[in-house]
Amino acid sequence: AQSVTQLDSQVPVFEEAPVELRCNYSSSVSVYLFWYVQYPNQGLQLLLKYLSGSTLVESINGFEAEFNKSQTSFHLRKPSVHISDTAEYFCAVSFTGGYQKVTFGTGTKLQVIP
Amino acid sequence: DAGVIQSPRHEVTEMGQEVTLRCKPISGHNSLFWYRQTMMRGLELLIYFNNNVPIDDSGMPEDRFSAKMPNASFSTLKIQPSEPRDSAVYFCASRNPGQGGSPLHFGNGTRLTVT
Repeated sequence: AQSVTQLDSQVPVFEEAPVELRCNYSSSVSVYLFWYVQYPNQGLQLLLKYLSGSTLVESINGFEAEFNKSQTSFHLRKPSVHISDTAEYFCAVSFTGGYQKVTFGTGTKLQVIP
Repeated sequence: DAGVIQSPRHEVTEMGQEVTLRCKPISGHNSLFWYRQTMMRGLELLIYFNNNVPIDDSGMPEDRFSAKMPNASFSTLKIQPSEPRDSAVYFCASRNPGQGGSPLHFGNGTRLTVT
C-alpha cells in the first residue's frame, strides 16, 4: 500500500516571501511522485513530477521539489511567491508498475498575502 | 487538444432523483478515472477504467453509484437515488498509461448539490 501525508492544511505567506509545502509518502516499492495545483472552480493541473534521475525537479513557474528517498519526502518550494500562486496544492504518489494507481494527499491551501 | 470535458458544470437536484454526470476524455488516453472531492474527505477515487473496462471500483460508495464507459470517448457516472450526502465536486481524469509516470489530466468537475 502507499500513502501520502501533507501535514499543513493551510499555509499563509506574504507576497515575495519563500514558501515550502511539505509532503511525505510511504511505500514499500518504487514510486513516481507528483505535485498538482488546483485553482478555484477548476480541476487539478500537474505542476511537476519526479520519475527518475535528478532528484531536483522544476516547474515552469518557479516551483521546485526535491525527492529525498531517505526521508521519504517530496517537499515543494518557491523562493518568492506571487499573488497568483494562491491555490490548493496536492502531493500524489503512484506505483511504477501495474495500473499505476495514484494516491493523493489531503492538500495544502497556499494563501499569498499582499 | 480540448482537454477532459465534463458536463454539466453544476447540477442541483432533489433527494431521490437520478443524476447522470458525463465525461469525454482526451483523445488517445485509454485510462479514465472518476474522483469525488469534499471538504471532509478530500479527493477520493471512485472507479478506474482501462480500455473501457472497469478495473478498480472499490471506491464506489454503494450500489446507488454506477459508472459506464461504452466507448473510448465517453463515460458516465450515475447516482440513483441521490442523497444529500452525495453533494460534492465530481472530477473525471484521463491518462495514457503507456507512458511511464504519465500524469492525470483532470476536467473542471461537476459540482453536485442534492437538496
